[in-house]
Amino acid sequence: NAGVTQTPKFRILKIGQSMTLQCAQDMNHNYMYWYRQDPGMGLKLIYYSVGAGITDKGEVPNGYNVSRSTTEDFPLRLELAAPSQTSVYFCASRLGQGARNTEAFFGQGTRLTVV
Amino acid sequence: AQSVSQHNHHVILSEAASLELGCNYSYGGTVNLFWYVQYPGQHLQLLLKYFSGDPLVKGIKGFEAEFIKSKFSFNLRKPSVQWSDTAEYFCAQGAGSYQLTFGKGTKLSVIP
Repeated sequence: NAGVTQTPKFRILKIGQSMTLQCAQDMNHNYMYWYRQDPGMGLKLIYYSVGAGITDKGEVPNGYNVSRSTTEDFPLRLELAAPSQTSVYFCASRLGQGARNTEAFFGQGTRLTVV
Repeated sequence: AQSVSQHNHHVILSEAASLELGCNYSYGGTVNLFWYVQYPGQHLQLLLKYFSGDPLVKGIKGFEAEFIKSKFSFNLRKPSVQWSDTAEYFCAQGAGSYQLTFGKGTKLSVIP
């Protein structure tokens, strides 16, 4: 049972480069989330999805894009990397619809450095 | 917008000391509350959760939390901490159909 799988674990980008952070879950969860974690700031929601084909902005969406073509996958795209996007990124999933009081399951995180 | 406040940024305790980490939430409707733990270099893992019923919730590894609706609080407690409890602890609140809001976290350092 893999749960939530994120790739890559670490990445260094140059300013202006683009990349996609991958996230996949095998629990048939409806809801998926992308958070970024910065020291002392907790987790801030970037984007979320309540099902395939449905995505919406969270608290800090600028500079990011997402898609949700399948229930399993929820990739996060950085188009023009900036130093402010240096952070640890966590993907999470949650059963959601019809069972909103369920906990979120997290991936192992991607540590991204933009230089 | 809902918010979650954690009172302490960093707590330092000796082994066997008792622990209480504060958490206050802002949403006034039906709430679902969680405590997560993040060990160094790892992802967040669920410690315990509250949806309804007995306001004293027991979780894994000897942790418990008490939901006090009148105070909008959900404090985490452990009677006797161990060095292995060194981690960062996050309180979170679920509200509405999808929202899951986290506090800023409290770092716990346990000195052997």
